[in-house]
Amino acid sequence: TQLLEQSPQFLSIQEGENLTVYCNSSSVFSSLQWYRQEPGEGPVLLVTVVTGGEVKKLKRLTFQFGDARKDSSLHITAAQPGDTGLYLCAGGGNTDKLIFGTGTRLQVFP
Amino acid sequence: EAEVAQSPRYKITEKSQAVAFWCDPISGHATLYWYRQILGQGPELLVQFQDESVVDDSQLPKDRFSAERLKGVDSTLKIQPAELGDSAMYLCASSLGPDRLKLFFGEGSRLTVL
Repeated sequence: TQLLEQSPQFLSIQEGENLTVYCNSSSVFSSLQWYRQEPGEGPVLLVTVVTGGEVKKLKRLTFQFGDARKDSSLHITAAQPGDTGLYLCAGGGNTDKLIFGTGTRLQVFP
Repeated sequence: EAEVAQSPRYKITEKSQAVAFWCDPISGHATLYWYRQILGQGPELLVQFQDESVVDDSQLPKDRFSAERLKGVDSTLKIQPAELGDSAMYLCASSLGPDRLKLFFGEGSRLTVL
């Protein structure tokens, strides 16, 4: 069974701070996605990475796929209250099946 | 912008009752997914359809859950009888199929079983 463990599980920070969320697995994935989910809503796709070592930037968010395609990280610079939400990584294999991580709940206080 | 429609948004029921959730994917999306999400955790795949065919229902508790997508468009997920442990958010998502890396999620149906 493929599992994606995220850390930390909870993160509570002040506006302006930087943070990093990790997504780790013992399995290799052909692609890795990051979603953000706000309370009462469905997840919204932020980014997809497909190449080992790939780095993508989305404004203040930087996403990296590990060289071995088993792990990924999300770094947020100068966090803002609008970044608050549940961050989910999701790994894709060769069978259309997307496996979601355990989630990281981020709270950014003004 | 096209969206995945789900209903109802909220459902409260008593255990042993039957519940049903409906999903209308984005037009043209061949692949439809039902996920279950416990509060604060990641979604878990229950069933995946390609057009009207089930391609993965390995995690669907088939003794009480059923799902169908008869015409390959909208889909229904049913639970009968509901149990306390079924309380969760039920999310529907769709994708084009060939571009299967990009999933679009609905707002979800939150179920509370009393």
